[in-house]
Amino acid sequence: DTAVSQTPKYLVTQMGNDKSIKCEQNLGHDTMYWYKQDSKKFLKIMFSYNNKELIINETVPNRFSPKSPDKAHLNLHINSLELGDSAVYFCASSPQGSTVKMGSNYGYTFGSGTRLTVV
Amino acid sequence: AQSVTQLGSHVSVSEGALVLLRCNYSSSVPPYLFWYVQYPNQGLQLLLKYTTGATLVKGINGFEAEFKKSETSFHLTKPSAHMSDAAEYFCAVSLPFGGFKTIFGAGTRLFVKA
Repeated sequence: DTAVSQTPKYLVTQMGNDKSIKCEQNLGHDTMYWYKQDSKKFLKIMFSYNNKELIINETVPNRFSPKSPDKAHLNLHINSLELGDSAVYFCASSPQGSTVKMGSNYGYTFGSGTRLTVV
Repeated sequence: AQSVTQLGSHVSVSEGALVLLRCNYSSSVPPYLFWYVQYPNQGLQLLLKYTTGATLVKGINGFEAEFKKSETSFHLTKPSAHMSDAAEYFCAVSLPFGGFKTIFGAGTRLFVKA
């Protein structure tokens, strides 16, 4: 069974469209993340949710909106797609708990990525 | 704020040779440090991590890394490279609070020659 699964794996769409990427984890982790990897392989965090609560919201255009219906799912919706949104988007999860609690960081488990191409 | 610098965007070694990938970090408090590997068209996989305790940490696939606070380094090594080690390697740093946001280095592409 796939631990962190993303769908779709590939997404080709026209500028101006609205699209969603879905992510699900079956590891029982408390925290989920979205990262964007550009063409130079640079990884930048976008959002993080802990038990359905938004805890990290980096400087991302408000056309990007995450939604977490439960702690096992974190979806990413993108409105009015632009050419510059083309990238690989990775979902990840980790077992960290509260944002204010010191504790061990076990590292992330990543999904296999969604390659978004805007034409 | 924390940051991480990987020295060398590309490293090439011969099969059987020592692998050394360099990583230096900057952090205002003792950080957690990680190495991840990414094979083509795949997600990242955790190789090893340092949180507290022993400064020499061993990971999967024969890799290990040593945390050197005085040098603010966390270099990744493997005694003998294998063709299957060819991949992109990312060093990462996070603080042990505040959502555990992890900052990744720019990556080092490892090439292994036969």
